[in-house]
Amino acid sequence: QQQVRQSPQSLTVWEGETAILNCSYEDSTFNYFPWYQQFPGEGPALLISIRSVSDKKEDGRFTIFFNKREKKLSLHITDSQPGDSATYFCAASEANTGKLTFGDGTVLTVKP
Amino acid sequence: NSKVIQTPRYLVKGQGQKAKMRCIPEKGHPVVFWYQQNKNNEFKFLINFQNQEVLQQIDMTEKRFSAECPSNSPCSLEIQSSEAGDSALYLCASSLRGRNQAPLFGEGTRLSVL
Repeated sequence: QQQVRQSPQSLTVWEGETAILNCSYEDSTFNYFPWYQQFPGEGPALLISIRSVSDKKEDGRFTIFFNKREKKLSLHITDSQPGDSATYFCAASEANTGKLTFGDGTVLTVKP
Repeated sequence: NSKVIQTPRYLVKGQGQKAKMRCIPEKGHPVVFWYQQNKNNEFKFLINFQNQEVLQQIDMTEKRFSAECPSNSPCSLEIQSSEAGDSALYLCASSLRGRNQAPLFGEGTRLSVL
C-alpha cells in the first residue's frame, strides 16, 4: 500500500500559467510535508514545506494548500517559468524520526 | 548549492565488488539519512543516524549494506557485494534534530553495477 500518492504523473503548462500538483497520504501520524524539486542528474532540493497544523503555506510563486481531514495537499506554482521544469516530489515526515516517505513524483514541463 | 557533500558522484562496479560512498552532512546537522532512488524515481529509505548512532534501518541494510557516521569523519555507505539491482542513485541527507526539520539532500552518488 503506497503511503504517499501524487498526481498527475506528468503535467504540461504554458509559461505564465498556474501548475497544480496533487498529493495524498494514508498515515494520519504524518505531520510534516516538504516538497522537493529535482532536476535531472541532481539531488532533490527542498522547495517549500508545511506542518499539519497549517492549511496554507506561501513562498513567492509556490503555495501549499493542506486539507488534514481529507489527507490531501497540493502545490500551486503560479506564473510558471520554463526553469520550473523538473520533477516534484511530495514527502511526508514521521513525527518522531524525521524519516521521509516520498510519492512517485510529478514531472512538470513548462512550455515557453 | 547543496551543502551536503557526497563523493564520488559516479561509481561503476562489477557484480560482487564492494561499493563505498561517502557523505559530509551540513555543518551542525546531527541527523543523517541514506535513501536509494531507482530509475523509476522511487525512493527507498535505507538508514538514518543521529550523531553516530543508528536510529532506524531496513532489513536489507543488515545484510549486504553497512553504514556508519563516525565522529569527525565523513559518513559512509558500503555495499559489500554489489548486485545489478543495486544500480541506483544513493542520496545522503542531513537535518537538525527535532520535529519538522526537512532534510537537505546532497547531489547523490550514481552507482552502476555491470
